[in-house]
Amino acid sequence: RKEVEQDPGPFNVPEGATVAFNCTYSNSASQSFFWYRQDCRKEPKLLMSVYSSGNEDGRFTAQLNRASQYISLLIRDSKLSDSATYLCVVNLATGNQFYFGTGTSLTVIP
Amino acid sequence: SAVISQKPSRDICQRGTSLTIQCQVDSQVTMMFWYRQQPGQSLTLIATANQGSEATYESGFVIDKFPISRPNLTFSTLTVSNMSPEDSSIYLCSVRQDQSTDTQYFGPGTRLTVL
Repeated sequence: RKEVEQDPGPFNVPEGATVAFNCTYSNSASQSFFWYRQDCRKEPKLLMSVYSSGNEDGRFTAQLNRASQYISLLIRDSKLSDSATYLCVVNLATGNQFYFGTGTSLTVIP
Repeated sequence: SAVISQKPSRDICQRGTSLTIQCQVDSQVTMMFWYRQQPGQSLTLIATANQGSEATYESGFVIDKFPISRPNLTFSTLTVSNMSPEDSSIYLCSVRQDQSTDTQYFGPGTRLTVL
């Protein structure tokens, strides 16, 4: 079983829509959780960390559910510039190993 | 966040040859890592580059194939040795600035094509 699993999509949504991605992780000892954004032919860039209490940054809201071992990312009022691949990343409690999901592709359509 | 540069940004190489990729950070960082992202795949950690000692390799990666150097806290190299077309990938350097943070920042990547 993969450490981190994501729905690869693609998600094609109109501008202004709200879209949500989920990600599940297999190791209950996982300690840190992140969403990264990767544009085509570019490196991943940190979008936001995910905290137990949930956190919001503008149009983006991330939530963590430890009991069910999933994290989510909600994007409100989608912009064309949100089109990218969103990577779910999990860090185990020990060691340096970051596990990356395969990414969810989002295209925002005018 | 740290500013990370990689050289070369891309290369096309013949099978059997080797390529050394450089990663330079604009500030001292505690931890540096090398990842591979194969076409259509997510990132896979190759190794942790340790300053002043041998790199720590993940399962499936060995020093003979991917020798790594880290002579100081701002620089590391990854060599892809005896290349084959299966090594065609994007190779990414990443850093964690210190032990108190687990956020990683990535370099722009090196796009390698092996013919």
